[in-house]
Amino acid sequence: NAGVTQTPKFQVLKTGQSMTLQCAQDMNHEYMSWYRQDPGMGLRLIHYSVGAGITDQGEVPNGYNVSRSTTEDFPLRLLSAAPSQTSVYFCASSPTGAPYNSPLHFGNGTRLTVT
Amino acid sequence: QQPVQSPQAVILREGEDAVINCSSSKALYSVHWYRQKHGEAPVFLMILLKGGEQKGHDKISASFNEKKQQSSLYLTASQLSYSGTYFCGTGYSTLTFGKGTMLLVSP
Repeated sequence: NAGVTQTPKFQVLKTGQSMTLQCAQDMNHEYMSWYRQDPGMGLRLIHYSVGAGITDQGEVPNGYNVSRSTTEDFPLRLLSAAPSQTSVYFCASSPTGAPYNSPLHFGNGTRLTVT
Repeated sequence: QQPVQSPQAVILREGEDAVINCSSSKALYSVHWYRQKHGEAPVFLMILLKGGEQKGHDKISASFNEKKQQSSLYLTASQLSYSGTYFCGTGYSTLTFGKGTMLLVSP
């Protein structure tokens, strides 16, 4: 099994550009989520989904959109990139709809720089 | 609300012990622990659940005090491979992580 796969690994954008970070999992997990990681801030939740067709906002959702049309895929869209969105982005999944009692499986991350 | 971790950083020699703490102002259903090495993704270590159940790493131990809303991770006889940043995570329908504790084990 590949687990959680994120693409691309690295990306440089100019301010105002849009892009989509891809996340796919092959474990049939119900729960998927996006975090951003900035120095000294830990991991902050952007958006999450408890199943196909269901998404919700996390702690820092502004400037990002998500959709979950299939169980496997959970793309994160940056609508108009800003330098404040320079960060490392992690996708994570969990077997059940509520991750309190199951491990989060993380992808390898996407390092995004916005100039 | 973000759980609070202490200490922020620990430097150990190989073979020494360390304790990392995690506390929350909210009642906890569970506490997760993850380790992240530089440039890599966080990796699951263990979950401590209300009622005493634990899931995870055989060689790492942890405690969960439900009344005090606190958890501690015990790293005994540390090895070089223990170096990294440790995060605790709390919540029910989502997980909120602390800011992390950086652990450096030197030879």
